[in-house]
Amino acid sequence: GQNIDQPTEMTATEGAIVQINCTYQTSGFNGLFWYQQHAGEAPTFLSYNVLDGLEEKGRFSSFLSRSKGYSYLLLKELQMKDSASYLCAVRDTGGFKTIFGAGTRLFVKA
Amino acid sequence: SAVISQKPSRDICQRGTSLTIQCQVDSQVTMMFWYRQQPGQSLTLIATANQGSEATYESGFVIDKFPISRPNLTFSTLTVSNMSPEDSSIYLCSVEAGYETQYFGPGTRLLVL
Repeated sequence: GQNIDQPTEMTATEGAIVQINCTYQTSGFNGLFWYQQHAGEAPTFLSYNVLDGLEEKGRFSSFLSRSKGYSYLLLKELQMKDSASYLCAVRDTGGFKTIFGAGTRLFVKA
Repeated sequence: SAVISQKPSRDICQRGTSLTIQCQVDSQVTMMFWYRQQPGQSLTLIATANQGSEATYESGFVIDKFPISRPNLTFSTLTVSNMSPEDSSIYLCSVEAGYETQYFGPGTRLLVL
């Protein structure tokens, strides 16, 4: 079956670092995405990992371990505007179908 | 990048009626996707629409309920037919723009009374 797990909610302090974990079990794997979604808005693309390791992009980094079915999104120097839902998504092999996790709601407090 | 627009942005509809949602992309794309996002939930793929072929529907979604058109490489429509309150949701159009990136439209917020 297809399953993507991530924590429901997290709270962190402005200026801190937060790590959002994602584990997946899917029938095929052709890459893992992280998206940010503010309330009432469409998801926006943050990162894509298809090989093991860490991808760094400014304040955001994403890590993938295919053997463990595990990824995390690391957000540094948190800002209030980072309060949003973060969606982990896995693209299946063939057909480019992307399966989304339920999302992690991140609250950044002052 | 790809810029996606959707019409209508929101609507309130009566039970038993149908609504057609339009999705327009500013560049030619091969694959377009339709998702549903119910309140407080994540995204669920309804179907994949490729130009020139029938849409491919995911488990739990059927063509009679969600007919899709894909007349060219920049446009698609999704119709929500014979609506019930359970169809109240946000419907999002999405495209692949390059292998590593997927863009989403702003969504259509549908409330069925």
